[in-house]
Amino acid sequence: DIQMTQSPSAMSASVGDRVTITCRASQGISNYLVWFQQKPGKVPERLIYAASTLQSGVPSRFSGSGSGTEFTLTISSLQPEDFATYYCLQHNSYPLTFGGGTKVEIK
Amino acid sequence: EVQLVESGGGLVQPGGSLRLSCAASGFTFSDHYMDWVRQAPGKGLEWVGRTRSKASGYTTEYAASVKGRFTISRDDSKNSLYLQMNSLKAEDSAVYYCARVGVTTIQGAYYYSLDVWGQGTTVTVSS
Repeated sequence: DIQMTQSPSAMSASVGDRVTITCRASQGISNYLVWFQQKPGKVPERLIYAASTLQSGVPSRFSGSGSGTEFTLTISSLQPEDFATYYCLQHNSYPLTFGGGTKVEIK
Repeated sequence: EVQLVESGGGLVQPGGSLRLSCAASGFTFSDHYMDWVRQAPGKGLEWVGRTRSKASGYTTEYAASVKGRFTISRDDSKNSLYLQMNSLKAEDSAVYYCARVGVTTIQGAYYYSLDVWGQGTTVTVSS
């Protein structure tokens, strides 16, 4: 199985900060990676797919990059509504596997 | 509007069974692969399994943690997805989400990724 290691597991940031979250795959997954945002008590929402393609309707401050084994999700200027937990998911091979999540909290 | 609505969750004793349903609307259900994903209380997301479409033979994939105990099925005539859960354990307690698998083609490559999620149904396994 492919292991997805997300870092950090939690972080504190201020409104306006640039935030970077990393996801590392235990083996190459090309760009078969998706990023989700989950707010407390809510359903996960897809932000980015194919590692770098922004989901329609998602603000352009979100961006994704990477290929192979290392991927990043960047929020260029953190907004109040961005405080949430972020997950990566690889769908290169079965079983699909999620990263452990990164909780972004208010500093 | 694309919508997925899960039902069937509840309290069940260890070793028991439960069947979850997911009713789909607002899209051509039969065209899509469908997944189940779960989230234990205060924990991260865990992929449970997938059923492919009729065009792909209705084949299924499962996580190792549920293989042999859980069965995913679908009824395209009812726009419904199911998760039959047997031999339930305490560690199966979670919110169970159904999710649609959307297909995107980028530069000739196909990307199958979860694009729409239901609200979830809660399963508690406890004596």
